[in-house]
Amino acid sequence: ILNVEQSPQSLHVQEGDSTNFTCSFPSSNFYALHWYRWETAKSPEALFVMTLNGDEKKKGRISATLNTKEGYSYLYIKGSQPEDSATYLCASSYSGGGADGLTFGKGTHLIIQP
Amino acid sequence: EPEVTQTPSHQVTQMGQEVILRCVPISNHLYFYWYRQILGQKVEFLVSFYNNEISEKSEIFDDQFSVERPDGSNFTLKIRSTKLEDSAMYFCASRRVADTQYFGPGTRLTVL
Repeated sequence: ILNVEQSPQSLHVQEGDSTNFTCSFPSSNFYALHWYRWETAKSPEALFVMTLNGDEKKKGRISATLNTKEGYSYLYIKGSQPEDSATYLCASSYSGGGADGLTFGKGTHLIIQP
Repeated sequence: EPEVTQTPSHQVTQMGQEVILRCVPISNHLYFYWYRQILGQKVEFLVSFYNNEISEKSEIFDDQFSVERPDGSNFTLKIRSTKLEDSAMYFCASRRVADTQYFGPGTRLTVL
């Protein structure tokens, strides 16, 4: 059974501070790591997909890194804003190419305090 | 910007009844998925669909579940005889080729 773990489960951050959280995943037969941002009652929004060891992706104030050898990814948010409040989900896939289903972590619930 | 849509947003049904959850994937996408999230638990993969057939399914996707792409736009998930434990948020997703999966907003299914 594949197990993707995220920590912390929830996080309170002061507006303007930077923060980061972790996703760990089984590295055997790994294909891709996905990060999503999910606000209640909305569609999970795709942030990044990474496949190669050492990959780094950036989108505005949010960035992510990937270590496939040790099986972890970090998501960083610089200068947090209230609109960053959401649940951040990571998910890994293993079969590659075709129609592979994603294995999700439980998410990190981020609350930005003004 | 194109998006995945799902209807209804909330479905309430009696145990033992059949339900059909509907999704309209992004129009030029080729791979289609259903996931579910039971309250307080992880999002779980149910099934993937490509070229008009199931490509992969999880242990959750038993004989009570079926999927169909009845026309060029809709992708449906049918649960034949709902159980209490089928209560969950059901997400549809689609993708083009080797790309990220784009999710719909979900249908909350409540089985009474």
